[in-house]
Amino acid sequence: AAGVIQSPRHLIKEKRETATLKCYPIPRHDTVYWYQQGPGQDPQFLISFYEKMQSDKGSIPDRFSAQQFSDYHSELNMSSLELGDSALYFCASSPPAVTDTQYFGPGTRLTVL
Amino acid sequence: DAKTTQPPSMDCAEGRAANLPCNHSTISGNEYVYWYRQIHSQGPQYIIHGLKNNETNEMASLIITEDRKSSTLILPHATLRDTAVYYCIVRVAGGRNTGFQKLVFGTGTRLLVSP
Repeated sequence: AAGVIQSPRHLIKEKRETATLKCYPIPRHDTVYWYQQGPGQDPQFLISFYEKMQSDKGSIPDRFSAQQFSDYHSELNMSSLELGDSALYFCASSPPAVTDTQYFGPGTRLTVL
Repeated sequence: DAKTTQPPSMDCAEGRAANLPCNHSTISGNEYVYWYRQIHSQGPQYIIHGLKNNETNEMASLIITEDRKSSTLILPHATLRDTAVYYCIVRVAGGRNTGFQKLVFGTGTRLLVSP
């Protein structure tokens, strides 16, 4: 079965640079979530989108922005990167159903030097 | 979302059943119990969820007490590949009717399956 695709899988950036992470949801899933997992920490919710509109927002820094496109893929844009942004970034998608079970991608490992 | 309490770690012998407990004494009537697991540095994986009845799928069984204040995830025949952090999450079911509900991960139970 098709799964959530994230790209790139690994990314190395310098401080103050920008990064763009991409997420391609499972076909026919219309909702996308982004989570951040720092070293030794549990995943923390950042932001979610439904039908191209932001549906919820967590502890996402103002330096980060995200959007969902007409084909339902989503991009997380991160500017003025800091050392503390080094983390695993997971995208999850859920289908148009009453109970939205979330299915996660493999993650993007961002390292800021 | 209701808070959950899980033991920080558990051990299990390969081939035996792994029973992972979760306490959620403040659960509301419209909140489901979800279980996810995360194998080292991989994306969290959905296992099972339930409201009040026991549930079973190809991965596991979920036993919810009658008062819904606690639950147990059962892996009937644990394998080495089941070594992971298991998260019990209580939340309102998301979707169009109730809003899109983020997952709030607690510290989970680190299950180690040994030969």
